[in-house]
Amino acid sequence: ETGVTQTPRHLVMGMTNKKSLKCEQHLGHNAMYWYKQSAKKPLELMFVYNFKEQTENNSVPSRFSPECPNSSHLFLHLHTLQPEDSALYLCASSQELLSGNEQFFGPGTRLTVL
Amino acid sequence: AQTVTQSQPEMSVQEAETVTLSCTYDTSESDYYLFWYKQPPSRQMILVIRQEAYKQQNATENRFSVNFQKAAKSFSLKISDSQLGDAAMYFCAYYGANSKLTFGKGITLSVRP
Repeated sequence: ETGVTQTPRHLVMGMTNKKSLKCEQHLGHNAMYWYKQSAKKPLELMFVYNFKEQTENNSVPSRFSPECPNSSHLFLHLHTLQPEDSALYLCASSQELLSGNEQFFGPGTRLTVL
Repeated sequence: AQTVTQSQPEMSVQEAETVTLSCTYDTSESDYYLFWYKQPPSRQMILVIRQEAYKQQNATENRFSVNFQKAAKSFSLKISDSQLGDAAMYFCAYYGANSKLTFGKGITLSVRP
C-alpha cells in the first residue's frame, strides 16, 4: 500500500461502545495528524504528533484518546461518544512539522454514533 | 488567530470553461503558506497548489493557478479548461507560525458536461 491508509472506512457505534480508528502512512513522514470533518464546517485539527510525541491537543474531549506507537502508525481510541461526534475523521501526515510542507490525507473513517 | 473564509458554498462551471474560486484570510503574520486542497466525492483529499507568502509570483500547476494578493489577503484559485474530474469540494487553507493548517469551510464545485 502507498500513501496514507485508514481503517475502518465506516464505523457505526453506540454511545457505550469502545472502538479504535487506525491510520498508517507509508511515506516516511515524521508528523501525523487527526482531523474531524463535519458537514458545513471547516476541518478541525484534533491532535498532532511529531516523531511520536504529541505536540498538539486542540481542546479535544477526553472521550477521544490518541496513540502514536511509532512514526508510521496513529490510532484514535473512542469511548462513550456522543451523537454529535458523528463525522468523517481524517488522518494526515507530513514530512516535518515546522514547515509549510504538504499534508497527505487518508480516505477517512466515516463514524456514526447512535 | 488566523481565519480562512470561503464565502461561496457552491459553484458550477461548464466543461472546458474557466472558473475562479475565492478565498480570503486574516492574519497578522508576514511569512506563511497558503494551499488549495481538492476532495473528490468519497475520495482522498489531495493538494492542488501551494503558495509561499514571500514569493510574489503566483503559483501555477498545469490548469490550476492562483491569484495571490498579499495586501488584500486574498488567495483565489483559477481552474482553466474545466474537466468533469474537477468536480469536488475545494478547501483553501492557511499555514502559519503556529504550525497548524487552518481550513476554510470549502466550496462544492460541479462541472456541467
